[in-house]
Amino acid sequence: QAVLTQPPSLSASPGASASLTCTLRGGVSVVTYRIYWYQQKPGSPPQYLLRYKSDSDNQRGSGVPSRFSGSKDASANAGILLISGLQSEDEADYYCMTWHGSAVLFGGGTKLTVL
Amino acid sequence: QITLKESGPPLVKPTQTLTLTCTFSGFSLSTSGVGVAWIRQPPGKALEWLALTYWDDDKRYSPSLNSRLTITKDASKNQVVLTMTNMDPVDTATYYCARTWCSGGRCYFDYWGQGTLVTVSS
Repeated sequence: QAVLTQPPSLSASPGASASLTCTLRGGVSVVTYRIYWYQQKPGSPPQYLLRYKSDSDNQRGSGVPSRFSGSKDASANAGILLISGLQSEDEADYYCMTWHGSAVLFGGGTKLTVL
Repeated sequence: QITLKESGPPLVKPTQTLTLTCTFSGFSLSTSGVGVAWIRQPPGKALEWLALTYWDDDKRYSPSLNSRLTITKDASKNQVVLTMTNMDPVDTATYYCARTWCSGGRCYFDYWGQGTLVTVSS
């Protein structure tokens, strides 16, 4: 049974970079999975940010700033959302998602605080 | 402009069946690559995918909730309906519908409704 695990919270300073991890557990390799990332602000539905499988298979959503990018850490079996040049407006919950067979898995979300 | 809107009862009693309707505009559920999904979020908790119907009438369900869910579409009315049986207080959540866009096997939820809060209580 595949599961996506995210740290519950992360804090970073304005102007700094934040690396949000999404670890794939359950005996499957993140290398073969596309990881999708969503941003959710209080009282609003999630918004699609980007997907990342590899440097040749990735896509940023329409209107998403280039400060948001994806990568993977194969040794940690994790997908990564990197946010550079943090701004106060980046404070939000971030969810990773993937497809496992024909079913969708969401991670538990990371609350990013910019302070 | 693509929009989706969820509608349904704000309050249901335990053991009752919940019926939610997603009414959308700006796209057609008859277009190849398009689907509509239901996703829920209990208060203060994470997102949970429930079900998805595709343009070709293929349907997929969360393995953990499969026995309780039914998703149907009426492309002519631009609506997707989700029914969930045997509701329990733990099913209290905001229920979202979202357009699913698939291209080259890459499917994601690109447009979301604002969600509707459903409370399960006697």
